[in-house]
Amino acid sequence: SQTIHQWPATLVQPVGSPLSLECTVEGTSNPNLYWYRQAAGRGLQLLFYSVGIGQISSEVPQNLSASRPQDRQFILSSKKLLLSDSGFYLCAWSLWAGDPRAFFGQGTRLTVV
Amino acid sequence: DAKTTQPPSMDCAEGRAANLPCNHSTISGNEYVYWYRQIHSQGPQYIIHGLKNNETNEMASLIITEDRKSSTLILPHATLRDTAVYYCIVRGLNTNAGKSTFGDGTTLTVKP
Repeated sequence: SQTIHQWPATLVQPVGSPLSLECTVEGTSNPNLYWYRQAAGRGLQLLFYSVGIGQISSEVPQNLSASRPQDRQFILSSKKLLLSDSGFYLCAWSLWAGDPRAFFGQGTRLTVV
Repeated sequence: DAKTTQPPSMDCAEGRAANLPCNHSTISGNEYVYWYRQIHSQGPQYIIHGLKNNETNEMASLIITEDRKSSTLILPHATLRDTAVYYCIVRGLNTNAGKSTFGDGTTLTVKP
């Protein structure tokens, strides 16, 4: 069966510090991968998605970047965090075609102080 | 993706059916209706999807009106563990499953 791992679960970082959040998927090949952010009490905002190794599409301009160094690994990064980067970050995956579902990780709650 | 409108919150008594409405008046012919839910501090979970026929699975039932401009998610016997935010999403079947527009959803509170 497929599983998605996302870590850490919580993170407190000072303004101006770097960020690296990692997400890995097991049990499937060539998944589509996504990073979402959720502000408190609000819906999800799609930040990045990837259809293959090294292929990253950005949905919104921001202080963050994403990379996909391996087929089932997706990394969200920042060189210098801003207060506005605080939020709940979710990684998700889906199959290329045929299965309409997206599967989400448990999320990382980032607080920038 | 078509825009959806959901009530911000609803309450339901434990053991009773929870009926969550969603309006999607601008839905196009090839767009499906999807429902996800998000329990507090967890990632969203897929529930069900449909095009025009009513659908049922082990989690819920989905009723789509004949004109497809609205739908209702039904949890037949709500439990306390069904307390969550429920998202109604409309998009094409062949579009990227993870590229969904999640609005603010409906916060369902199941009460004892």
